[in-house]
Amino acid sequence: GENVEQHPSTLSVQEGDSAVIKCTYSDSASNYFPWYKQELGKGPQLIIDIRSNVGEKKDQRIAVTLNKTAKHFSLHITETQPEDSAVYFCAASDGAGNMLTFGGGTRLMVKP
Amino acid sequence: GAVVSQHPSRVICKSGTSVKIECRSLDFQATTMFWYRQFPKQSLMLMATSNEGSKATYEQGVEKDKFLINHASLTLSTLTVTSAHPEDSSFYICSARDAGALETQYFGPGTRLLVL
Repeated sequence: GENVEQHPSTLSVQEGDSAVIKCTYSDSASNYFPWYKQELGKGPQLIIDIRSNVGEKKDQRIAVTLNKTAKHFSLHITETQPEDSAVYFCAASDGAGNMLTFGGGTRLMVKP
Repeated sequence: GAVVSQHPSRVICKSGTSVKIECRSLDFQATTMFWYRQFPKQSLMLMATSNEGSKATYEQGVEKDKFLINHASLTLSTLTVTSAHPEDSSFYICSARDAGALETQYFGPGTRLLVL
């Protein structure tokens, strides 16, 4: 089955700096890669996703890149703000309505 | 759009009792819902996949007789933790997949269960 590794497990940045979180996956059949943000005591919130037919997607301060050959994808947050502090999870699936496999999560702390 | 609700948000119960958690997709139809369990500072662990009108598919190691799942309509799935014990205390989260966008899962806010 699919295995998703996520790094780093914790990340501390200064407000205004950029943050990058990286994930690798094992199943070459995976073609859908969402990212979720989870605040303390709440459910995960979808913030961006990418499908295998594109290499990069951007939404304001958030961008995701995908390298299918290397089987890794990354989340980039620019101009970080304290409210970006949360746990971020990457995930992968082979589409076709199948289940998501999650990475271990990254705790991002943005210092004011 | 794409709102998923869960009820209750938190519950405290005595050991041996059963607890029912509801998951609703409020503005879309969900042919499939998923139930996850999350321990503190850990990732989400898939417990089962709930398909409307059919039996749920449980992940390895998850007892189907302990965690009863019912998905009676396109907008509602329930998880019942039967004869709960302290080790069942956890954060239970559901997600729903939009029938019109099969890949995307939207998560509920979670239910904090504490078994005394």
